[in-house]
Amino acid sequence: SQTIHQWPATLVQPVGSPLSLECTVEGTSNPNLYWYRQAAGRGLQLLFYSVGIGQISSEVPQNLSASRPQDRQFILSSKKLLLSDSGFYLCAWSVGQHNQPQHFGDGTRLSIL
Amino acid sequence: GQQLNQSPQSMFIQEGEDVSMNCTSSSIFNTWLWYKQDPGEGPVLLIALYKAGELTSNGRLTAQFGITRKDSFLNISASIPSDVGIYFCAGQLAASKLTFGTGTRLQVTL
Repeated sequence: SQTIHQWPATLVQPVGSPLSLECTVEGTSNPNLYWYRQAAGRGLQLLFYSVGIGQISSEVPQNLSASRPQDRQFILSSKKLLLSDSGFYLCAWSVGQHNQPQHFGDGTRLSIL
Repeated sequence: GQQLNQSPQSMFIQEGEDVSMNCTSSSIFNTWLWYKQDPGEGPVLLIALYKAGELTSNGRLTAQFGITRKDSFLNISASIPSDVGIYFCAGQLAASKLTFGTGTRLQVTL
């Protein structure tokens, strides 16, 4: 069966520091991968999605970037964090080109000080 | 970005009661999904709906894809304490993009 792992689970970073959040999926090949951000008590906002290695689509202009160096690895990065980057970051995967459901990891709680 | 209107925003119910929540959109979707999120965790898929008018059950949960393709509802029968959490609807039009509802926070009292 497929599993998705995100780490770290929580992270506290100072303003201006770099960021790297990692997400890996097991048990499937060529998944679609997604990064979402969730503000406290709100729904999820899609940040990036990828349909294959090296293919990244950005949904909103922001201070973050994403990369997919391997088929089942998706990385969310920033060179210099802002206070507004605080939030709950969720990675998700789906398969196929049609409307298959997305399945989520357990998220990373990022706090910027 | 766009969000779907979900109601109610929150509800307190007693154990054993039935629960109903719905989600509306100004635009159509090809797929409706319902997720539950517990504190500090990612959303977990409950039900997926692929066809207008479709009614699907998963245990005590029942969801319907509205005939206009602009709405969906979720019912929970005979609620139990572990039903506590935030329920999100999500609509999908293109293969890669989900639009999420604003969430319904459910609290169950004994």
